[in-house]
Amino acid sequence: AQSVTQLGSHVSVSEGALVLLRCNYSSSVPPYLFWYVQYPNQGLQLLLKYTSAATLVKGINGFEAEFKKSETSFHLTKPSAHMSDAAEYFCASQSQNTGFQKLVFGTGTRLLVSP
Amino acid sequence: SQTIHQWPATLVQPVGSPLSLECTVEGTSNPNLYWYRQAAGRGLQLLFYSVGIGQISSEVPQNLSASRPQDRQFILSSKKLLLSDSGFYLCAWTLPGAYEQYFGPGTRLTVT
Repeated sequence: AQSVTQLGSHVSVSEGALVLLRCNYSSSVPPYLFWYVQYPNQGLQLLLKYTSAATLVKGINGFEAEFKKSETSFHLTKPSAHMSDAAEYFCASQSQNTGFQKLVFGTGTRLLVSP
Repeated sequence: SQTIHQWPATLVQPVGSPLSLECTVEGTSNPNLYWYRQAAGRGLQLLFYSVGIGQISSEVPQNLSASRPQDRQFILSSKKLLLSDSGFYLCAWTLPGAYEQYFGPGTRLTVT
């Protein structure tokens, strides 16, 4: 069964610093991969997605992620953190083999941004 | 454009009371619909999904049920709430064959 692991339940950065949120997937066949962001008491918003096209994926709000098959990773990065980036981030995978779309989510990483 | 609505936004219910949460999608037809629960400090747990009217699949056995009376309406129900039902309930949709899911604003349920 596929699974997603997000390393670090909390990540703290200073404003202007690099943001790196880690995600590793476990699947015999590389899945589709997604990053979602959740602000307090809101739903999830799609940041970006990997669907077997380019391995470097650019998303909204200046975020990007790189799919690395050799490392089974899909880490999320942003060159310079803003205070508004403080939120919870979820990595999710979806098998390419199933006929129905079910997402498997990681447990989330809370990003804290300090002035 | 498509939008997804959930109501109520917040709900406080006593143990043993019934529950009905509603989700509707606008601007699309024949979506796949999902109910998730997010407990405090935990990730998202898929509860139910539906590929069409009256078609419900359950992922986790529990005292919750779901129904899809109309193409773009998805309802989550319970006859008797438990304390463990507290959480943030999210509805999501996707078009058949598409990859990404889009989420509603959520309902915060507190069972007291």
